[in-house]
Amino acid sequence: DAGVTQSPTHLIKTRGQQVTLRCSPKSGHDTVSWYQQALGQGPQFIFQYYEEEERQRGNFPDRFSGHQFPNYSSELNVNALLLGDSALYLCASSLFLALTNYGYTFGSGTRLTVV
Amino acid sequence: DQQVKQNSPSLSVQEGRISILNCDYTNSMFDYFLWYKKYPAEGPTFLISISSIKDKNEDGRFTVFLNKSAKHLSLHIVPSQPGDSAVYFCAASDWGNGGSQGNLIFGKGTKLSVKP
Repeated sequence: DAGVTQSPTHLIKTRGQQVTLRCSPKSGHDTVSWYQQALGQGPQFIFQYYEEEERQRGNFPDRFSGHQFPNYSSELNVNALLLGDSALYLCASSLFLALTNYGYTFGSGTRLTVV
Repeated sequence: DQQVKQNSPSLSVQEGRISILNCDYTNSMFDYFLWYKKYPAEGPTFLISISSIKDKNEDGRFTVFLNKSAKHLSLHIVPSQPGDSAVYFCAASDWGNGGSQGNLIFGKGTKLSVKP
């Protein structure tokens, strides 16, 4: 049973560019959440998608946007990249309304470096 | 403003002994707490959780204790094994209190090293 799959694993971009990160949720899961983990920090919630809609959003600027497809997979887009966007981006999948006992299933992340 | 704090960046323990990882929180609306374990180049893996209606939850070698009045929780690992060496994150949510369902608030993590 495949877990959460993220691609690519590593990415180097230049300031001002745009980037798209991809996530396939664990089989049976319908909800995808994205987190940013800067070096030495814990993961920070970016947003959550369910039924192809953004359901909740953390304290991130509009440069961060996302999408969920009918097959539950998701994309995270970041425009006008800043050096401070360099981080590990984690995707987590879950079943909507079934978060209590098991939390999320996280992917291994995409390491984004902005130069 | 950090709502979840893990004040010890690292902890070193001898194999077979107890590891105690601590976590403090400030938001009294938090009602569900989770611990995640993270190895390098992998995503965080769920370890154990506790609801605010309980003060203890046990799963094998792992026990989480919650002290609501002190806004403090701890993870005990007994006995510690070298394979437990990883970064441990404490996370909290306010789902039961009408908070945002997707939003887990994480601490900065504690790196545990278990020496053989």
